[in-house]
Amino acid sequence: AQKVTQAQTEISVVEKEDVTLDCVYETRDTTYYLFWYKQPPSGELVFLIRRNSFDEQNEISGRYSWNFQKSTSSFNFTITASQVVDSAVYFCALRNLGMYSGGGADGLTFGKGTHLIIQP
Amino acid sequence: NAGVTQTPKFRILKIGQSMTLQCAQDMNHNYMYWYRQDPGMGLKLIYYSVGAGITDKGEVPNGYNVSRSTTEDFPLRLELAAPSQTSVYFCASGLDVLGPLQEKLFFGSGTQLSVL
Repeated sequence: AQKVTQAQTEISVVEKEDVTLDCVYETRDTTYYLFWYKQPPSGELVFLIRRNSFDEQNEISGRYSWNFQKSTSSFNFTITASQVVDSAVYFCALRNLGMYSGGGADGLTFGKGTHLIIQP
Repeated sequence: NAGVTQTPKFRILKIGQSMTLQCAQDMNHNYMYWYRQDPGMGLKLIYYSVGAGITDKGEVPNGYNVSRSTTEDFPLRLELAAPSQTSVYFCASGLDVLGPLQEKLFFGSGTQLSVL
């Protein structure tokens, strides 16, 4: 079975600090996708990034960057120079597409989320 | 562009009552999903659909039913509401699983349901 662990339940930092959200996953499949979603106080989930298991390149998008390390089964998310608007719950998620997943159309497995609080 | 629309936003039910949570998307997505989010927990998949007329169980389907008569609509039915079904429910849709757009899910704004 697949599993996503976000060990940090809540992180609080002061604005402009850098912050890293950890995500560790477990899967038996060799083909899978990893995601990060943001859930602001308004409640809806907003897609941030998708990474497939064959692409270990790190990615940077503005103040956001993602570090995918297959060797440690981690997909960590860093916000540089954090802002108050970054305050939200962030979810890491996994989708398998291999032989153990029955085809892949069975939804995402989510971590429990990390509540990020950016203080002004 | 409405995206994924869920109604109602809030609802309080008594034990044993039934209700339908509505979900509609206007993006012509084949894939649609229902998730529930319990406090301090991630989202758990209830049911999903890969196209009109096709539905399948997710991780936590007990106590729920779905139908998918059209591409646009994917209602979730609670037949005999129980306190354990108190949760926030999210509907989501996606275009493709294996293709180039590979599963960017669009979520609705959620329905907060309390069963008392």
